[in-house]
Amino acid sequence: RKEVEQDPGPFNVPEGATVAFNCTYSNSASQSFFWYRQDCRKEPKLLMSVYSSGNEDGRFTAQLNRASQYISLLIRDSKLSDSATYLCVVNIRYGGSQGNLIFGKGTKLSVKP
Amino acid sequence: DTGVSQNPRHKITKRGQNVTFRCDPISEHNRLYWYRQTLGQGPEFLTYFQNEAQLEKSRLLSDRFSAERPKGSFSTLEIQRTEQGDSAMYLCASSVDSAEQYFGPGTRLTVT
Repeated sequence: RKEVEQDPGPFNVPEGATVAFNCTYSNSASQSFFWYRQDCRKEPKLLMSVYSSGNEDGRFTAQLNRASQYISLLIRDSKLSDSATYLCVVNIRYGGSQGNLIFGKGTKLSVKP
Repeated sequence: DTGVSQNPRHKITKRGQNVTFRCDPISEHNRLYWYRQTLGQGPEFLTYFQNEAQLEKSRLLSDRFSAERPKGSFSTLEIQRTEQGDSAMYLCASSVDSAEQYFGPGTRLTVT
C-alpha cells in the first residue's frame, strides 16, 4: 500500500464549480499535512498546511481526520487558474529522523470555461 | 530573484556518462533537500542536508549518486554512469529547520 494515496483524476469541472479532493495516508505516525499545487512542468508550491481543526484560506478549505487517516481539500467557485495538479503531502517523524515530505501522486484538476 | 535556483534546467546525456547538478538555496535556509520526480508521480525524497552535514539518505539513492554541500550553501548532486532509469526531474528544496520547504524549478535529466 502506498504511503499517501490520491485519486489521480483528472477532474474536469466548469468554472464556478465546487470540487473536492481526497487523500489517505497509511502511517499513523504522520505528524504534519499539506496540500501542494504543481503546474505543468513547474515545481511544487505549498498551497496550504492542514490542521486538525480544519482550516480555510479564501476559496480553499482543508480538513484532516486523524482517526480515519484522511485529508481533504475543497475548492469553491473554481477558476480557470486553479487548473493544476494537487499533491497531498505528509511529514512523518520517527526516531532521529527529522521527517521528510512524502508526496502522493497528485490529482489533476482541469477547470473549463 | 531570491528563490531556490537550479542549474542546468535541462540536461541530455548518453547512458554511462556522469552528470552534476547544482542547487542554490534561499540564502538564510539551513536545510537543503533533493527529490526526484518522474512523470505521473509525486516527488520522491532522495537526501537532505542541515548546513553542510548530510543527515538522511533514501534507499532510492544508489551508490552511483552522491550529493555534497561543502560550505553549507549551494549543493551538488552527481550521478555516475547514468542509466535510462535515471531520467527524471531532479528537484531541490530548502527550508529553515523543518518549516515550509520551497522548491526550485528543477533540472530535467534525459538519458539516451
